Amino acid sequence: GAVVSQHPSWVICKSGTSVKIECRSLDFQATTMFWYRQFPKQSLMLMATSNEGSKATYEQGVEKDKFLINHASLTLSTLTVTSAHPEDSSFYICSARVWQANTGELFFGEGSRLTVL
Amino acid sequence: DAKTTQPPSMDCAEGRAANLPCNHSTISGNEYVYWYRQIHSQGPQYIIHGLKNNETNEMASLIITEDRKSSTLILPHATLRDTAVYYCIVHRSLRGSARQLTFGSGTQLTVLP
Repeated sequence: GAVVSQHPSWVICKSGTSVKIECRSLDFQATTMFWYRQFPKQSLMLMATSNEGSKATYEQGVEKDKFLINHASLTLSTLTVTSAHPEDSSFYICSARVWQANTGELFFGEGSRLTVL
Repeated sequence: DAKTTQPPSMDCAEGRAANLPCNHSTISGNEYVYWYRQIHSQGPQYIIHGLKNNETNEMASLIITEDRKSSTLILPHATLRDTAVYYCIVHRSLRGSARQLTFGSGTQLTVLP
């Protein structure tokens, strides 16, 4: 299947700093990518939809000024957690859609675990 | 999207078939049934999807009832590496849509040695 890669896979930072997470589609172009957040023992929750060349669409309750999303190319979307705090510690996962002949399955990155001290 | 109901957890002996049920009684005619799984601390992995007919691939088989109100994911010979949370998601075709999948609680499958 299609490959979606995230970097870094894990990061530890101090409270108040900013952290950037990259999501790349390695063997296909993705005009749309999605960012999810997952807290321990909970399911994935969609944060935002990243659109190449335009502004991201955020889900209700997600602060767009805190979680900056940039989708500057067809193979790269970045999520920047600004002024991170311990409550932002979570598993962040991106996904991208492959436009196949039938239904266009979603493929997911490996996830990035953020720990804010 | 139609709501799905899955048991929170299941056990399966290694080498045996794992049958994971999913109820989606409010599914619409144009909605597909998708299955993903998430191994601990990894991103979700696509397994299989179907509309009406039963489907099979190298990972699993998907059996959808004739009335489409429920389905079963079958892992024919479960291994320890199949231990994961399995998500059954009902969604209309993702093609041509900016919509994405909504994940429920899933079923924690534990394959026992």
